[in-house]
Amino acid sequence: RKEVEQDPGPFNVPEGATVAFNCTYSNSASQSFFWYRQDCRKEPKLLMSVYSSGNEDGRFTAQLNRASQYISLLIRDSKLSDSATYLCVAFGQNFVFGPGTRLSVLP
Amino acid sequence: NAGVTQTPKFRILKIGQSMTLQCTQDMNHNYMYWYRQDPGMGLKLIYYSVGAGITDKGEVPNGYNVSRSTTEDFPLRLELAAPSQTSVYFCASSYLSGNLYTFGSGTRLTVV
Repeated sequence: RKEVEQDPGPFNVPEGATVAFNCTYSNSASQSFFWYRQDCRKEPKLLMSVYSSGNEDGRFTAQLNRASQYISLLIRDSKLSDSATYLCVAFGQNFVFGPGTRLSVLP
Repeated sequence: NAGVTQTPKFRILKIGQSMTLQCTQDMNHNYMYWYRQDPGMGLKLIYYSVGAGITDKGEVPNGYNVSRSTTEDFPLRLELAAPSQTSVYFCASSYLSGNLYTFGSGTRLTVV
């Protein structure tokens, strides 16, 4: 079983839609979690950290469920510029990246 | 403050050739990492370093070597290039383990 798993997508949604991604991790000792965004042919960039209490940054909300070992990312009011691949990351001894979920926001 | 700089951005190698991918950071970060990313796959850790003079293997080290003679530089060496090493290579750095990464812009390597 892969250490961090994500649905690869693609998720094709219209502008203004709400979309949610889930990610599961297998290492229960993982301490920190993040969502990174990666545009086509570019390096990953930090989108947001994920806290047990949940956190929100504008249109983006991240949640962590330690009991079920999954992380979620919710994007409200999708913009064309949100089109990218979203990488789930778990940190235990090292950072472990999921394969990413591709999102396409359509006009 | 340039962050993490990788060179070259693109390279085509023939099977059996060797090359060094350069990575430099100017943030005085202790930790540096090399990852490879294949299509549809997550980033795989090749090697990492926790400080000058200290390196360690990651998940996929075979076919690669690294050195860390200074805090700033962390070059990745391919000795005998193979088609399986065709990938995008990212260097990253962080101040502490578990701290947020800063990535370089990547090197696209094709081995033919």
